[in-house]
Amino acid sequence: NAGVTQTPKFRILKIGQSMTLQCTQDMNHNYMYWYRQDPGMGLKLIYYSVGAGITDKGEVPNGYNVSRSTTEDFPLRLELAAPSQTSVYFCASSYNGNTIYFGEGSWLTVV
Amino acid sequence: KNQVEQSPQSLIILEGKNCTLQCNYTVSPFSNLRWYKQDTGRGPVSLTIMTFSENTKSNGRYTATLDADTKQSSLHITASQLSDSASYICVVSGNSGNTPLVFGKGTRLSVIA
Repeated sequence: NAGVTQTPKFRILKIGQSMTLQCTQDMNHNYMYWYRQDPGMGLKLIYYSVGAGITDKGEVPNGYNVSRSTTEDFPLRLELAAPSQTSVYFCASSYNGNTIYFGEGSWLTVV
Repeated sequence: KNQVEQSPQSLIILEGKNCTLQCNYTVSPFSNLRWYKQDTGRGPVSLTIMTFSENTKSNGRYTATLDADTKQSSLHITASQLSDSASYICVVSGNSGNTPLVFGKGTRLSVIA
């Protein structure tokens, strides 16, 4: 059971660089989410999607973009990396918005 | 403002002892409350989900309570084990379905031998 798979696990970026965090789920879930978790803080929602072709902003969307071309994949794009985007990123999915399954996290450092 | 406050921030207990973690919320309207366990370096894993009408819910040695009137929840861990060492996160949903959840900052539990 793969569940929610995120890549890469760790990444160091220079200021101004861009990158994409990949997320895929094999549970045929309609709902997918991207969260960030800063030290000592609760998870904050960046973007979410209720189905293929549909995305919406969460609480902290600035500096990020997403796409949902398929049910399985929900990549998160950072266009111009900034030190403030240093964080742990979690992708998650859910069948109906109730039980949410999280990936293992992606540790991103912007220097 | 929708908020979820957890206490204590951190807790150290001896293996075999019980403990109770607290969660107070101001999220309204309320849909459900969830407790997650997050091991260091891992993603959160769901322990329980409680709706407005549920007062108590158990999952093995974990028992969650909910008082929707006072907007308080607790997570009681019985006969703690070393593997219970983790962060426990309280999450409140203000609406049904997919709308954003409000996460607490978590309680860091350390179980020592």
